[in-house]
Amino acid sequence: DAKTTQPTSMDCAEGRAANLPCNHSTISGNEYVYWYRQIHSQGPQYIIHGLKNNETNEMASLIITEDRKSSTLILPHATLRDTAVYYCIVRVRTYGGSQGNLIFGKGTKLSVKP
Amino acid sequence: NAGVMQNPRHLVRRRGQEARLRCSPMKGHSHVYWYRQLPEEGLKFMVYLQKENIIDESGMPKERFSAEFPKEGPSILRIQQVVRGDSAAYFCASSTLQQGANYGYTFGSGTRLTVV
Repeated sequence: DAKTTQPTSMDCAEGRAANLPCNHSTISGNEYVYWYRQIHSQGPQYIIHGLKNNETNEMASLIITEDRKSSTLILPHATLRDTAVYYCIVRVRTYGGSQGNLIFGKGTKLSVKP
Repeated sequence: NAGVMQNPRHLVRRRGQEARLRCSPMKGHSHVYWYRQLPEEGLKFMVYLQKENIIDESGMPKERFSAEFPKEGPSILRIQQVVRGDSAAYFCASSTLQQGANYGYTFGSGTRLTVV
């Protein structure tokens, strides 16, 4: 799997948009970008994923650059409950194969402050 | 629909004892993954199982660790003769074939193992 690079930590004011960057300059054409988050003492939670088009769901938006070498996760109106470690992961979309395993890095620790 | 259930939530073992961690996947999920998270570190893949089969155990330590996912019942991660370095949070995740390909996995809340 391609490696990703994320800032170690970020702060965001409550109610403002949180923009979390991720670099994945060695991403392959068949690899997707996934975002998970881990709230303290809980298991990771799926947020969103995409291949090359921008994606939006009820939790967040994912913006992927045209060359696919970087992406940004956007939480439009951050709340205190969004304080967590956010993981950017690239993986192939595979059915039953181990090459689709999620490889977690250290992620970005997002602190949302009142 | 209950999520991925792990038990116990907390487990304390003395050095040299055995630890058994259980994971009941979501209903209809036949793929199970185990991850370990050491303090202040990211999650590390350990093993990937389907019913009655180990698909990928490349992340499992060579000794003392084993995993199974029988036809009936939960998946079990077994650690024999535990040492202090085994103290960590162990997370289980599950998926269907389709979900695993498209979205990844659904994680449980983890078992926190403390070796004293």
